[in-house]
Amino acid sequence: DARVTQTPRHKVTEMGQEVTMRCQPILGHNTVFWYRQTMMQGLELLAYFRNRAPLDDSGMPKDRFSAEMPDATLATLKIQPSEPRDSAVYFCASGLVYPGGRGTDTQYFGPGTRLTVL
Amino acid sequence: LAKTTQPISMDSYEGQEVNITCSHNNIATNDYITWYQQFPSQGPRFIIQGYKTKVTNEVASLFIPADRKSSTLSLPRVSLSDTAVYYCLVGDNAGNNRKLIWGLGTSLAVNP
Repeated sequence: DARVTQTPRHKVTEMGQEVTMRCQPILGHNTVFWYRQTMMQGLELLAYFRNRAPLDDSGMPKDRFSAEMPDATLATLKIQPSEPRDSAVYFCASGLVYPGGRGTDTQYFGPGTRLTVL
Repeated sequence: LAKTTQPISMDSYEGQEVNITCSHNNIATNDYITWYQQFPSQGPRFIIQGYKTKVTNEVASLFIPADRKSSTLSLPRVSLSDTAVYYCLVGDNAGNNRKLIWGLGTSLAVNP
Protein backbone atom coordinates (compact mmCIF):
# COMPACT_ATOMS: atom_id res chain seq x y z
CA ASP A 1 0.00 0.00 0.00
CA ALA A 2 1.95 3.00 -1.29
CA ARG A 3 1.91 6.06 0.95
CA VAL A 4 3.35 9.52 1.18
CA THR A 5 5.82 9.74 4.04
CA GLN A 6 6.81 12.87 5.91
CA THR A 7 9.57 13.53 8.41
CA PRO A 8 9.70 14.60 11.13
CA ARG A 9 6.18 13.98 12.40
CA HIS A 10 6.65 16.54 15.17
CA LYS A 11 9.07 19.41 15.51
CA VAL A 12 9.46 21.90 18.33
CA THR A 13 11.93 24.69 17.78
CA GLU A 14 12.72 28.18 18.90
CA MET A 15 12.07 31.33 17.00
CA GLY A 16 14.84 32.13 14.56
CA GLN A 17 15.90 28.54 13.97
CA GLU A 18 15.89 26.87 10.58
CA VAL A 19 13.32 24.14 10.03
CA THR A 20 13.45 21.56 7.25
CA MET A 21 10.57 19.23 6.52
CA ARG A 22 10.92 16.31 4.15
CA CYS A 23 8.46 14.41 2.03
CA GLN A 24 8.76 11.23 0.03
CA PRO A 25 6.01 11.13 -2.59
CA ILE A 26 4.46 7.93 -3.83
CA LEU A 27 6.76 6.30 -6.35
CA GLY A 28 5.76 7.24 -9.87
CA HIS A 29 3.79 10.33 -8.92
CA ASN A 30 4.85 13.43 -10.82
CA THR A 31 3.14 16.14 -8.77
CA VAL A 32 3.97 17.14 -5.20
CA PHE A 33 2.06 19.63 -3.05
CA TRP A 34 2.89 21.42 0.19
CA TYR A 35 0.08 22.60 2.45
CA ARG A 36 -0.17 24.35 5.79
CA GLN A 37 -3.13 23.90 8.09
CA THR A 38 -4.11 25.94 11.12
CA MET A 39 -7.32 26.35 13.02
CA MET A 40 -7.56 29.98 11.99
CA GLN A 41 -6.66 29.75 8.30
CA GLY A 42 -7.71 26.24 7.44
CA LEU A 43 -5.92 24.37 4.66
CA GLU A 44 -3.58 26.59 2.61
CA LEU A 45 -1.75 25.51 -0.50
CA LEU A 46 1.81 26.79 -0.23
CA ALA A 47 3.34 25.43 -3.43
CA TYR A 48 3.28 22.57 -5.83
CA PHE A 49 5.62 20.95 -8.30
CA ARG A 50 5.13 18.94 -11.42
CA ASN A 51 8.00 16.84 -12.73
CA ARG A 52 10.11 18.60 -10.08
CA ALA A 53 9.45 22.08 -11.51
CA PRO A 54 7.50 24.60 -9.43
CA LEU A 55 4.05 25.17 -10.92
CA ASP A 56 2.58 27.53 -8.36
CA ASP A 57 4.21 28.89 -5.23
CA SER A 58 2.08 32.00 -4.84
CA GLY A 59 0.80 30.81 -1.47
CA MET A 60 4.24 30.65 0.07
CA PRO A 61 5.88 33.55 1.93
CA LYS A 62 9.03 33.88 -0.17
CA ASP A 63 11.10 35.79 2.35
CA ARG A 64 11.44 32.85 4.73
CA PHE A 65 10.01 29.79 3.01
CA SER A 66 11.57 27.74 0.25
CA ALA A 67 10.49 24.50 -1.40
CA GLU A 68 12.60 22.25 -3.56
CA MET A 69 12.66 18.82 -5.14
CA PRO A 70 16.28 17.64 -5.25
CA ASP A 71 15.10 14.49 -6.96
CA ALA A 72 11.88 12.70 -7.81
CA THR A 73 11.81 10.89 -4.48
CA LEU A 74 12.33 13.83 -2.15
CA ALA A 75 10.62 17.16 -1.61
CA THR A 76 11.73 19.63 1.05
CA LEU A 77 10.12 22.64 2.66
CA LYS A 78 12.43 24.94 4.56
CA ILE A 79 11.66 27.83 6.87
CA GLN A 80 14.49 30.19 7.76
CA PRO A 81 14.18 31.91 10.14
CA SER A 82 11.13 30.37 11.79
CA GLU A 83 8.58 32.46 13.67
CA PRO A 84 5.83 31.55 16.15
CA ARG A 85 3.18 32.29 13.51
CA ASP A 86 4.61 29.43 11.44
CA SER A 87 3.29 26.95 14.00
CA ALA A 88 0.94 24.67 12.08
CA VAL A 89 0.60 21.22 10.58
CA TYR A 90 2.38 20.96 7.25
CA PHE A 91 1.08 18.38 4.82
CA CYS A 92 2.73 16.99 1.74
CA ALA A 93 0.62 15.34 -0.94
CA SER A 94 1.46 13.69 -4.23
CA GLY A 95 -0.45 12.76 -7.35
CA LEU A 96 -0.10 11.58 -10.90
CA VAL A 97 -1.19 14.01 -13.60
CA TYR A 98 -0.83 13.15 -17.25
CA PRO A 99 0.34 15.75 -19.79
CA GLY A 100 -2.47 18.23 -20.35
CA GLY A 101 -4.28 16.60 -17.49
CA ARG A 102 -6.44 18.17 -14.90
CA GLY A 103 -4.84 20.02 -12.02
CA THR A 104 -7.40 18.71 -9.59
CA ASP A 105 -6.56 15.06 -10.10
CA THR A 106 -6.46 12.95 -6.96
CA GLN A 107 -3.98 13.92 -4.29
CA TYR A 108 -2.67 11.50 -1.69
CA PHE A 109 -1.75 13.16 1.57
CA GLY A 110 0.97 12.29 4.03
CA PRO A 111 0.43 12.24 7.81
CA GLY A 112 1.76 15.76 8.26
CA THR A 113 4.49 17.44 10.29
CA ARG A 114 3.27 19.27 13.36
CA LEU A 115 5.53 22.29 13.83
CA THR A 116 5.64 24.35 17.00
CA VAL A 117 7.79 27.46 17.05
CA LEU A 118 8.31 28.88 20.53
CA LEU B 1 -9.85 34.33 -9.39
CA ALA B 2 -12.04 31.36 -8.54
CA LYS B 3 -13.74 31.36 -5.18
CA THR B 4 -15.46 28.62 -3.22
CA THR B 5 -18.11 28.82 -0.53
CA GLN B 6 -19.32 25.98 1.64
CA PRO B 7 -21.20 25.89 4.96
CA ILE B 8 -18.94 26.02 8.00
CA SER B 9 -20.74 23.24 9.82
CA MET B 10 -23.63 20.80 9.58
CA ASP B 11 -25.35 18.48 12.01
CA SER B 12 -27.02 15.20 11.22
CA TYR B 13 -28.14 11.93 12.76
CA GLU B 14 -27.15 8.40 12.02
CA GLY B 15 -28.98 6.92 9.04
CA GLN B 16 -29.82 10.25 7.43
CA GLU B 17 -28.69 11.45 4.03
CA VAL B 18 -26.42 14.48 4.15
CA ASN B 19 -25.92 16.91 1.29
CA ILE B 20 -23.08 19.43 1.38
CA THR B 21 -22.99 22.06 -1.33
CA CYS B 22 -19.97 24.01 -2.48
CA SER B 23 -20.48 27.10 -4.62
CA HIS B 24 -17.66 27.94 -6.99
CA ASN B 25 -17.31 30.44 -9.81
CA ASN B 26 -14.62 31.11 -12.44
CA ILE B 27 -13.36 27.58 -12.20
CA ALA B 28 -11.19 25.97 -14.84
CA THR B 29 -13.32 24.59 -17.64
CA ASN B 30 -11.43 21.34 -17.97
CA ASP B 31 -10.72 20.47 -14.34
CA TYR B 32 -12.43 18.02 -12.08
CA ILE B 33 -14.36 19.12 -9.01
CA THR B 34 -13.03 17.03 -6.16
CA TRP B 35 -14.12 16.40 -2.59
CA TYR B 36 -11.94 15.33 0.32
CA GLN B 37 -12.65 14.12 3.84
CA GLN B 38 -10.42 14.87 6.81
CA PHE B 39 -10.40 13.29 10.25
CA PRO B 40 -8.59 14.88 13.19
CA SER B 41 -4.82 14.44 13.12
CA GLN B 42 -4.88 13.03 9.58
CA GLY B 43 -4.36 14.41 6.13
CA PRO B 44 -7.35 14.88 3.83
CA ARG B 45 -8.48 11.80 1.96
CA PHE B 46 -10.02 11.69 -1.51
CA ILE B 47 -13.73 10.87 -1.59
CA ILE B 48 -15.03 11.54 -5.08
CA GLN B 49 -14.53 13.71 -8.14
CA GLY B 50 -16.50 14.59 -11.22
CA TYR B 51 -16.63 16.86 -14.21
CA LYS B 52 -20.36 17.24 -14.76
CA THR B 53 -23.74 15.61 -14.04
CA LYS B 54 -23.67 12.84 -11.46
CA VAL B 55 -20.96 10.55 -10.21
CA THR B 56 -21.43 7.77 -7.67
CA ASN B 57 -18.96 5.51 -5.92
CA GLU B 58 -19.17 3.20 -2.95
CA VAL B 59 -19.14 6.00 -0.38
CA ALA B 60 -20.79 9.05 -1.93
CA SER B 61 -22.47 10.73 -4.87
CA LEU B 62 -21.53 14.01 -6.46
CA PHE B 63 -23.99 16.19 -8.32
CA ILE B 64 -22.71 18.90 -10.65
CA PRO B 65 -25.10 21.10 -12.64
CA ALA B 66 -24.41 21.98 -16.24
CA ASP B 67 -23.07 25.45 -15.39
CA ARG B 68 -20.58 23.92 -12.90
CA LYS B 69 -21.07 26.81 -10.52
CA SER B 70 -21.73 24.47 -7.64
CA SER B 71 -21.38 20.86 -6.62
CA THR B 72 -23.19 18.82 -4.00
CA LEU B 73 -21.63 15.97 -2.11
CA SER B 74 -24.24 13.46 -0.98
CA LEU B 75 -23.51 10.99 1.79
CA PRO B 76 -26.22 8.34 2.06
CA ARG B 77 -27.18 7.00 5.48
CA VAL B 78 -24.37 8.57 7.48
CA SER B 79 -22.87 6.89 10.51
CA LEU B 80 -20.89 8.24 13.45
CA SER B 81 -17.66 7.50 11.57
CA ASP B 82 -18.62 10.04 8.90
CA THR B 83 -18.03 12.83 11.42
CA ALA B 84 -15.25 14.77 9.72
CA VAL B 85 -14.45 17.92 7.78
CA TYR B 86 -15.32 17.88 4.08
CA TYR B 87 -13.53 20.04 1.54
CA CYS B 88 -14.26 20.86 -2.09
CA LEU B 89 -11.36 21.50 -4.46
CA VAL B 90 -11.53 23.23 -7.82
CA GLY B 91 -9.06 24.57 -10.34
CA ASP B 92 -8.87 28.27 -11.11
CA ASN B 93 -9.42 29.46 -14.64
CA ALA B 94 -6.36 31.65 -14.58
CA GLY B 95 -4.11 31.34 -17.58
CA ASN B 96 -1.27 28.89 -17.66
CA ASN B 97 -0.76 28.62 -13.94
CA ARG B 98 -2.72 25.82 -12.39
CA LYS B 99 -4.02 27.52 -9.31
CA LEU B 100 -5.92 25.18 -7.02
CA ILE B 101 -8.65 26.55 -4.80
CA TRP B 102 -9.73 24.69 -1.68
CA GLY B 103 -12.94 25.41 0.18
CA LEU B 104 -12.68 26.28 3.87
CA GLY B 105 -14.27 23.00 4.80
CA THR B 106 -17.60 21.88 6.25
CA SER B 107 -17.45 20.28 9.66
CA LEU B 108 -20.05 17.51 9.73
CA ALA B 109 -21.17 16.17 13.10
CA VAL B 110 -23.17 12.96 13.03
CA ASN B 111 -25.11 12.34 16.21
CA PRO B 112 -26.46 9.03 17.50
